[in-house]
Amino acid sequence: QKEVEQNSGPLSVPEGAIASLNCTYSDRGSQSFFWYRQYSGKSPELIMFIYSNGDKEDGRFTAQLNKASQYVSLLIRDSQPSDSATYLCASYSILQGAQKLVFGQGTRLTINP
Amino acid sequence: KAGVTQTPRYLIKTRGQQVTLSCSPISGHRSVSWYQQTPGQGLQFLFEYFSETQRNKGNFPGRFSGRQFSNSRSEMNVSTLELGDSALYLCASSTMNNEQFFGPGTRLTVL
Repeated sequence: QKEVEQNSGPLSVPEGAIASLNCTYSDRGSQSFFWYRQYSGKSPELIMFIYSNGDKEDGRFTAQLNKASQYVSLLIRDSQPSDSATYLCASYSILQGAQKLVFGQGTRLTINP
Repeated sequence: KAGVTQTPRYLIKTRGQQVTLSCSPISGHRSVSWYQQTPGQGLQFLFEYFSETQRNKGNFPGRFSGRQFSNSRSEMNVSTLELGDSALYLCASSTMNNEQFFGPGTRLTVL
């Protein structure tokens, strides 16, 4: 089992709709979670992070964390064609003093005009 | 504030050669991590340095090594290159909250 799992997609969403990206993790010791956006040929760009159960909103983006279900999600409201990219979920944990940031494989999102 | 910089951006080497990649973190960031990204394996962690010490290491062979200097700049070295080492190598520097900011990457092609 991979430590961080994401549906690779592609996920197609019409412009203006809500895009929902999901991520599950296996390490219950994971302390915080990060969402990155990566455009083709570019490096990952941090969108937001979350470490408490519940929702965290930043503009059109909302991250949701449910530690009991070991589930993290990212909602993108009013999706724009410029949101078309691969979205990477990452979990952060400390094991025996070693910090570890583990990335999922990423979900490719396409926003259709 | 300037972002993470990586040099060179593109590199072509042949099998058996060695290569050194460089990364300059965001000013004030003391942690630098290195990743390998390939279409098949995704983003895989190589190692992390903090205050000139390797703090964490991924599951890569000993051909992959790194170091960090007193100014937090980091280098990674790959010896005896193999075709499978062709990848995008990303460096990221971290805040105290473990938010990692990536550089543009070095695209390595091994022929």
